[in-house]
Amino acid sequence: SAVISQKPSRDICQRGTSLTIQCQVDSQVTMMFWYRQQPGQSLTLIATANQGSEATYESGFVIDKFPISRPNLTFSTLTVSNMSPEDSSIYLCSVDRDLNRETQYFGPGTRLLVL
Amino acid sequence: SQQGEEDPQALSIQEGENATMNCSYKTSINNLQWYRQNSGRGLVHLILIRSNEREKHSGRLRVTLDTSKKSSSLLITASRAADTASYFCATDEYPGNTGKLIFGQGTTLQVKP
Repeated sequence: SAVISQKPSRDICQRGTSLTIQCQVDSQVTMMFWYRQQPGQSLTLIATANQGSEATYESGFVIDKFPISRPNLTFSTLTVSNMSPEDSSIYLCSVDRDLNRETQYFGPGTRLLVL
Repeated sequence: SQQGEEDPQALSIQEGENATMNCSYKTSINNLQWYRQNSGRGLVHLILIRSNEREKHSGRLRVTLDTSKKSSSLLITASRAADTASYFCATDEYPGNTGKLIFGQGTTLQVKP
């Protein structure tokens, strides 16, 4: 398994501001992902964080709104920019440790409330 | 987009009873996984079943997969109050091996002591 930490665990932000969420893994991993879980909903993949190159975004998510960094194989950040109340969600990072890319391990999540 | 549909959306049972949750998906898969989430926290991986498998067991969990119907079920036997959580199925992206997962809408399970 993998030990994954996220910071902050929760935050309350004002609309128009930005928040950067950190994801730290206890060992090197190839794949890191960022998901959003809106209130009462399931998880939706935002992007795949690629080490050394630009993140790969899913349909409906753009780099200007959700810039992602992946400076090395154990760390990634997701920024939620110019926030609105609709961005209130839980943001989770996950990593893929297995060589056959099957099981994913999730961080504890960052609970964001935008006022 | 979410391709998984789960039913029921909510399930309430007594401790000791069995809980069955179903998941349907739309596209071809390499594997299907089930995850548990407690109170909006991180997800915990429960079990994975590959597309060439029909049934898999892990402790009190039993998962079936019917690729012809594009459906799966998760059975939790002898449920406990600690099993109270949301359960999600997730399928991988096929073809390819990108590691991306597509999650179902989830089933909220309440086990009453």
